[in-house]
Amino acid sequence: DSGVTQTPKHLITATGQRVTLRCSPRSGDLSVYWYQQSLDQGLQFLIQYYNGEERAKGNILERFSAQQFPDLHSELNLSSLELGDSALYFCASSVGGTSLNEQFFGPGTRLTVL
Amino acid sequence: AQTVTQSQPEMSVQEAETVTLSCTYDTSENNYYLFWYKQPPSRQMILVIRQEAYKQQNATENRFSVNFQKAAKSFSLKISDSQLGDTAMYFCAFIPLAGAQKLVFGQGTRLTINP
Repeated sequence: DSGVTQTPKHLITATGQRVTLRCSPRSGDLSVYWYQQSLDQGLQFLIQYYNGEERAKGNILERFSAQQFPDLHSELNLSSLELGDSALYFCASSVGGTSLNEQFFGPGTRLTVL
Repeated sequence: AQTVTQSQPEMSVQEAETVTLSCTYDTSENNYYLFWYKQPPSRQMILVIRQEAYKQQNATENRFSVNFQKAAKSFSLKISDSQLGDTAMYFCAFIPLAGAQKLVFGQGTRLTINP
């Protein structure tokens, strides 16, 4: 158990819908990262937050958005869902926001879009 | 842009054998970290081993060791005395020391340890 929690574990929804994935980092970690793992694209970095501020952005679609709240938990919002958004979404956290800090991964949220 | 390539989509060995997984990467950075992550059927991402590019000595963690060749941009993982619990997807990953703090992953190698 990495100490990073993600809810829900599974999510099944329909095309066009909107969902919110939640991540609670390890106690004391200030940085949160979101990754998407799909059959087509493999594991891809989406976005990073550090202490409430966006720190880095990857190949995140405009239909997707994220934020980190004052209590440091983070939410990833996915809207106008398409079949291709079906994937495993990982959250990771680290103490700081640099490469020196190991990223600890949560168990993931499996999203299925029907 | 950095890229990571794992040329072996699948590998299979017998229990107790030694197996080596290959990884090459491309970057113009001089300072970075390299990782091997394990993803068992539970889908949890587990860090296996980490290598700092500025260290010439290859990292080892119990039965896991790496062969880091910086000039060749090669980073292979050797698993000795393989065990059934080593069955998993293995991902090679790269992160630069500076710049965007994002892990760049390879496509993965599915390793099966047979009894």
